[in-house]
Amino acid sequence: EPEVTQTPSHQVTQMGQEVILRCVPISNHLYFYWYRQILGQKVEFLVSFYNNEISEKSEIFDDQFSVERPDGSNFTLKIRSTKLEDSAMYFCASSVRERYNEQFFGPGTRLTVL
Amino acid sequence: QKEVEQDPGPLSVPEGAIVSLNCTYSNSAFQYFMWYRQYSRKGPELLMYTYSSGNKEDGRFTAQVDKSSKYISLFIRDSQPSDSATYLCAMSAGGTSYGKLTFGQGTILTVHP
Repeated sequence: EPEVTQTPSHQVTQMGQEVILRCVPISNHLYFYWYRQILGQKVEFLVSFYNNEISEKSEIFDDQFSVERPDGSNFTLKIRSTKLEDSAMYFCASSVRERYNEQFFGPGTRLTVL
Repeated sequence: QKEVEQDPGPLSVPEGAIVSLNCTYSNSAFQYFMWYRQYSRKGPELLMYTYSSGNKEDGRFTAQVDKSSKYISLFIRDSQPSDSATYLCAMSAGGTSYGKLTFGQGTILTVHP
């Protein structure tokens, strides 16, 4: 069964460093998303991406964040200058165009900012 | 008022019990309602996807949506220890929301043998 994959599973970085989180969505999916979950809190929407551009973003997704689909299979989230409060699980999700609310999530990347 | 409210539990039931999980919401624009299961330190796994009001059944799982009351439920019949997980409700307005899901806090469920 096709699934969303994410790398790395765990990333440790120093405050102020740039990190890139990588995702490979399900191959025939056209909508891509990033969510985050701070330990013990809700899963929160960050951004949706379709047709090589951002469709919608939340207040969390400020200028420190960017997304990119560098090739036909990868989808990345970049955090330019990490803060302590960026420590969280980051989930990538994808969906088909016709049912974009039916989203399939990857296993997540645990980001720890020291 | 929070947009989506879900009792975090924890909820503990014996194997074989019927489990009822629910969420309330305040945003009347929500039209799509999902239930996810999340095991510890894993990604959410889609269980049920429903549009608008009504019931949907899939094996031991039944999802109900009552838009007039802004209330959704997930029922698990013949619960198994492997059902022990956190259950998340999620909702979306559709249209120009482009798939932005709003999640509940999650309910921690333990099914004991």
